[in-house]
Amino acid sequence: GENVEQHPSTLSVQEGDSAVIKCTYSDSASNYFPWYKQELGKRPQLIIDIRSNVGEKKDQRIAVTLNKTAKHFSLHITETQPEDSAVYFCAATMEYGNKLVFGAGTILRVKS
Amino acid sequence: GAVVSQHPSRVICKSGTSVKIECRSLDFQATTMFWYRQFPKQSLMLMATSNEGSKATYEQGVEKDKFLINHASLTLSTLTVTSAHPEDSSFYICSARRQTLEKLFFGSGTQLSVL
Repeated sequence: GENVEQHPSTLSVQEGDSAVIKCTYSDSASNYFPWYKQELGKRPQLIIDIRSNVGEKKDQRIAVTLNKTAKHFSLHITETQPEDSAVYFCAATMEYGNKLVFGAGTILRVKS
Repeated sequence: GAVVSQHPSRVICKSGTSVKIECRSLDFQATTMFWYRQFPKQSLMLMATSNEGSKATYEQGVEKDKFLINHASLTLSTLTVTSAHPEDSSFYICSARRQTLEKLFFGSGTQLSVL
């Protein structure tokens, strides 16, 4: 089955700097890759997603890139702010877009 | 966006009791709902996939007799943790998918603590 690896497990950046989180997936049939932000005790919030027919997508300070050949995708947050501090999860679909497999998560700390 | 409601948000129970968690899609029909479990500081692990009107499909290692899932309508799925034990203490979260979209909408989660 699908396996998603996520790095780093923790990331500390200074306010205003950029943050990059990387994920790799194993199933070349995966076709949808969302990123979620989760605060403690809360539900994951979808922040951006990308489909396999697109190489890059941007939404204000957040962008995601996808390299299908290498089977990896990355989340880029620019001009980080303290409120960006949270746990971020990448995920990938498997089995006709039915199930999502999540990465292990990255704790992002933005220091002011 | 679509709203998925989950109830209760927090439950504390004694070991050996059963706990039912409800997941409702409030403004759309969810033919498929998913149940995840999240231990502290860990990722979301899929427990089972629930399809309306049929038996749930459980992931490997998840005991179907312990985690009973019922998806009786297009807007409601329930997860019952039977004979709960302290090791079942976790954050349980459901998600629902509209048939034509791939986006998942998550419920607010249920923190289960078994004493």
